[in-house]
Amino acid sequence: EDQVTQSPEALRLQEGESSSLNCSYTVSGLRGLFWYRQDPGKGPEFLFTLYSAGEEKEKERLKATLTKKESFLHITAPKPEDSATYLCAVQAYGDVTSYDKVIFGPGTSLSVIP
Amino acid sequence: DAMVIQNPRYQVTQFGKPVTLSCSQTLNHNVMYWYQQKSSQAPKLLFHYYDKDFNNEADTPDNFQSRRPNTSFCFLDIRSPGLGDAAMYLCATSRGRTSHNEQFFGPGTRLTVL
Repeated sequence: EDQVTQSPEALRLQEGESSSLNCSYTVSGLRGLFWYRQDPGKGPEFLFTLYSAGEEKEKERLKATLTKKESFLHITAPKPEDSATYLCAVQAYGDVTSYDKVIFGPGTSLSVIP
Repeated sequence: DAMVIQNPRYQVTQFGKPVTLSCSQTLNHNVMYWYQQKSSQAPKLLFHYYDKDFNNEADTPDNFQSRRPNTSFCFLDIRSPGLGDAAMYLCATSRGRTSHNEQFFGPGTRLTVL
């Protein structure tokens, strides 16, 4: 069964303390992996798409990487405004009778303390 | 700015009283999605439209219906809301369903059932 897990469930960092969030997946075939940021009471905001193992994407203090089994979201020198829930989602190939599935992980809640 | 708009942002209804949530987009995307998200959980896909083609998830209750009268608008109808339907409802769009599947979310509608 296709599955996406994220760890840790919650992470508390001091401002400037770099760390990484993990997204592990088990799917029959990976078409793409997405990272989103979600602020409380708002919809998720798209951050990155990764398509193949070894690929990396960067945006400001965030860098996403992808291997064959997992993705990491590295946060360098975080600021309080980086506090949010970070969701990953995996797009799995559909078969001849069905369309692709997008499966969301439960998210990592990040708090950055000044 | 191109965007996904949801109305209302907050909706209060009574147990069993039908409610309609609306979503509009200015992105001209082919695909529109409805998700249900409960506190600290991953978004759960209810259904999606690829153009006019409606695709229901197998575990979406019959109580939930959707309409897409044109490219820009999509509605979520909850025929007889129960207490368990209280949640954030998220609308999202994407250009494609296979490639270009990055999803762009609206701000959500918070539904309260009394």
